[in-house]
Amino acid sequence: AQSVTQLGSHVSVSEGALVLLRCNYSSSVPPYLFWYVQYPNQGLQLLLKYTSAATLVKGINDFEAEFKKSETSFHLTKPSAHMSDAAEYFCAVSGKGRRALTFGSGTRLQVQP
Amino acid sequence: GAVVSQHPSWVICKSGTSVKIECRSLDFQATTMFWYRQFPKQSLMLMATSNEGSKATYEQGVEKDKFLINHASLTLSTLTVTSAHPEDSSFYICSAAGQNFYSNQPQHFGDGTRLSIL
Repeated sequence: AQSVTQLGSHVSVSEGALVLLRCNYSSSVPPYLFWYVQYPNQGLQLLLKYTSAATLVKGINDFEAEFKKSETSFHLTKPSAHMSDAAEYFCAVSGKGRRALTFGSGTRLQVQP
Repeated sequence: GAVVSQHPSWVICKSGTSVKIECRSLDFQATTMFWYRQFPKQSLMLMATSNEGSKATYEQGVEKDKFLINHASLTLSTLTVTSAHPEDSSFYICSAAGQNFYSNQPQHFGDGTRLSIL
């Protein structure tokens, strides 16, 4: 069984500040981990993915995430927030034998001017 | 990149009617499509997985007679909400995956369909 926990349903940062969105996973098999972003009334866009290669993964728009097996975490970071980063962010997990994604509850990121 | 088109983007209809949502892969052959449901301010919940040419696999608690899924071609899957009621109002999102899809590969999502039943 797999699950994802996103700590913090709402995160607010100032423009230019560090963004940190937390994700912890539980998986009985080696996990594949993804971060997606969703803008209002739209589908999901892939930010980055971890598939057992490098533990530090770089994605689009300067986002990156680090897979830490000992902490079962895959937190998403961005050094400097832009107003356009305001959206809903979802962490998701899949694994061998489970191709569908299991999503976390999402974190809404607000960026203050 | 891979493009998935979902149609309609918004539909409002009366209680008791049936509504069909289409999910198309525009530039690749989608052997597997996933249908998700998202309630307001909540996460996506998998409803069913469909493979081209075979019956869909429904998640526990999802009524297969209520949510009919057809995946008759490599570029099109449809979700029909039959005899829709207000509690079926939700945001429905499809995703598609190409041939030789493994769980370590990203899925490509459509833009979703907002269904409102009056």
